Amino acid sequence: DAKTTQPNSMESNEEEPVHLPCNHSTISGTDYIHWYRQLPSQGPEYVIHGLTSNVNNRMASLAIAEDRKSSTLILHRATLRDAAVYYCILEDISNFGNEKLTFGTGTRLTIIP
Amino acid sequence: NAGVTQTPKFQVLKTGQSMTLQCAQDMNHEYMSWYRQDPGMGLRLIHYSVGAGITDQGEVPNGYNVSRSTTEDFPLRLLSAAPSQTSVYFCASSQPVSYNSPLHFGNGTRLTVT
Repeated sequence: DAKTTQPNSMESNEEEPVHLPCNHSTISGTDYIHWYRQLPSQGPEYVIHGLTSNVNNRMASLAIAEDRKSSTLILHRATLRDAAVYYCILEDISNFGNEKLTFGTGTRLTIIP
Repeated sequence: NAGVTQTPKFQVLKTGQSMTLQCAQDMNHEYMSWYRQDPGMGLRLIHYSVGAGITDQGEVPNGYNVSRSTTEDFPLRLLSAAPSQTSVYFCASSQPVSYNSPLHFGNGTRLTVT
């Protein structure tokens, strides 16, 4: 299974953009890139996902490198509520479903007021 | 809109006791799964189900049983609790990947086995 590598922790100032990197050098052509985050004392929540093209939604943007070996989750204007552990996960679209996502240890994002 | 509901929120067991962690979803999702999260670690898959009557093992299934008699419910049973099962347990549900549907998680059950 393709694996991802993320920094253990990052800090960012409130109201500034945050770029969370993820390396996935062994990604296959059928792997989706998913991002989830986990706020303190809560279950993970979906943030965004993509396959090849950059993606935007109300929470964040996902920038995918042209060779797909890395991606970056972009929070455009961080708030204190964005302090969480962010997980970058690969899921093969040829799988029956995404019930078997493999969560690593993620990046712990700290927002400085 | 309740989403994924887990009960209880907290539970303390003695070694050897049995219990069932409940999970219910009201989104008519076909897929449901159970994860455990230990301190400083990511989530590890215990068991999953792709529909009523169908279950399969994940990464760490030993010591746990599951069944899926309805679409809505996916209980996790500990037949003889051990201290190594002290963890936070998360239930999740989703639709097939063709629906482009993400995983929806409950808020977890914190289990302590003494």
